[in-house]
Amino acid sequence: GAVVSQHPSRVICKSGTSVKIECRSLDFQATTMFWYRQFPKQSLMLMATSNEGSKATYEQGVEKDKFLINHASLTLSTLTVTSAHPEDSSFYICSATPLARETQYFGPGTRLLVL
Amino acid sequence: GIQVEQSPPDLILQEGANSTLRCNFSDSVNNLQWFHQNPWGQLINLFYIPSGTKQNGRLSATTVATERYSLLYISSSQTTDSGVYFCAVGSGGGADGLTFGKGTHLIIQP
Repeated sequence: GAVVSQHPSRVICKSGTSVKIECRSLDFQATTMFWYRQFPKQSLMLMATSNEGSKATYEQGVEKDKFLINHASLTLSTLTVTSAHPEDSSFYICSATPLARETQYFGPGTRLLVL
Repeated sequence: GIQVEQSPPDLILQEGANSTLRCNFSDSVNNLQWFHQNPWGQLINLFYIPSGTKQNGRLSATTVATERYSLLYISSSQTTDSGVYFCAVGSGGGADGLTFGKGTHLIIQP
């Protein structure tokens, strides 16, 4: 149980385009989902907290207009990287916490390469 | 914000050896999790352990919350144990994001 999926697993796009990444909790509901970013050989950094039915909360230094988050249901959150540039190339990972529990479960990640 | 330090940063062992990975954190936490990141980037949950001791097969973990550290023990290491081990903490339970340490890169040689 507690499986989180992400789609796509990898994406290559041209500079200036927008990319949408989906995060789904497959066998549980989650009022809160999280988005992290990991650069090569570095640790994970929390980008934002996504709350179902309300606006996301962004960490300091993360541009909310560049990284649009929508949490439309208890099983789906999306991250849209708008006008992507090469410096946005990274590994994006989402996580979710089942209702009434505290353990976070992570998706397999999405590798974004912006040319 | 809360600081998380993991040690050692790198560890190379022979198959069959035992190892201890350490995680120090700078403030009280309500959530502490250990993960193994596999070569494809997937984070595998090992333990949710904000306090106390847990065991799962060859792995066990202990968190001493009052002294702000956690230990992950791996016994009888296998080559498949290789990878990066992360400790991550949170102060708000399931509604707060996690702060990750920099990880311990473990290599198990045959």
